[in-house]
Amino acid sequence: VVTQSPGTLSLSPGESATLFCRAGQTVSDNYLAWYQQKPGQPPRLLIYEIFRRPTGIPDRFIGSGSGTDFTLTISRLEPEDFAVYYCQVYGISPRPFGQGTKVEIK
Amino acid sequence: EVQLLESGGGLVQPGGSLRLSCVGSGFTFGSFAMNWGRQTPEKGLEWVSGISAVDGSTFYADSVRGRFTISRDDSKNTLYLQMNSLRAEDTAVYYCAKGHSIGSWLVDFWGQGALVTVSS
Repeated sequence: VVTQSPGTLSLSPGESATLFCRAGQTVSDNYLAWYQQKPGQPPRLLIYEIFRRPTGIPDRFIGSGSGTDFTLTISRLEPEDFAVYYCQVYGISPRPFGQGTKVEIK
Repeated sequence: EVQLLESGGGLVQPGGSLRLSCVGSGFTFGSFAMNWGRQTPEKGLEWVSGISAVDGSTFYADSVRGRFTISRDDSKNTLYLQMNSLRAEDTAVYYCAKGHSIGSWLVDFWGQGALVTVSS
């Protein structure tokens, strides 16, 4: 089981967002990812192996954590960052996702 | 540019069957693990099945094991999901999803999705 908090974050552009993800057991091999999803679109990979960013992902997206507790920080929210964010533990079956955190414009 | 194009979604009665296809382009299809995931407003994102590029090993979520079959045809750059004995709770948007590497279950790209509705 993967649990995300809070359910919703209401923030203004330019502010920072901190999203939390807790795994039911220690995440092995750092196999923890974050995805961003906007309405009508598929998820997009933002972070993998806790803190690594794929090519093209801005450095304002910062992943951190260890063990069972992980954080996604979005510094200086841009208008395009308002979306739903999911974490996933992908090293174990059934590769569970969290229920998501919605970052909305305040 | 990586592209994944799903097809085969639609309306099916409970107990019925449907086959989803996904054509990949913009990458060497046969060199990557491939997956199917699904999403509903109620249950969120769920990994459904994966297939290795190393040896074709297949993996399933408990909720679909024995009813769904994943396969791939690397000569056609195509991934399939055969869905049998469909239930109302299988109603979802189904996504084709590319693995990060040949043996990795990290998904680094998702298709646009195909809607499957199971209803009488």
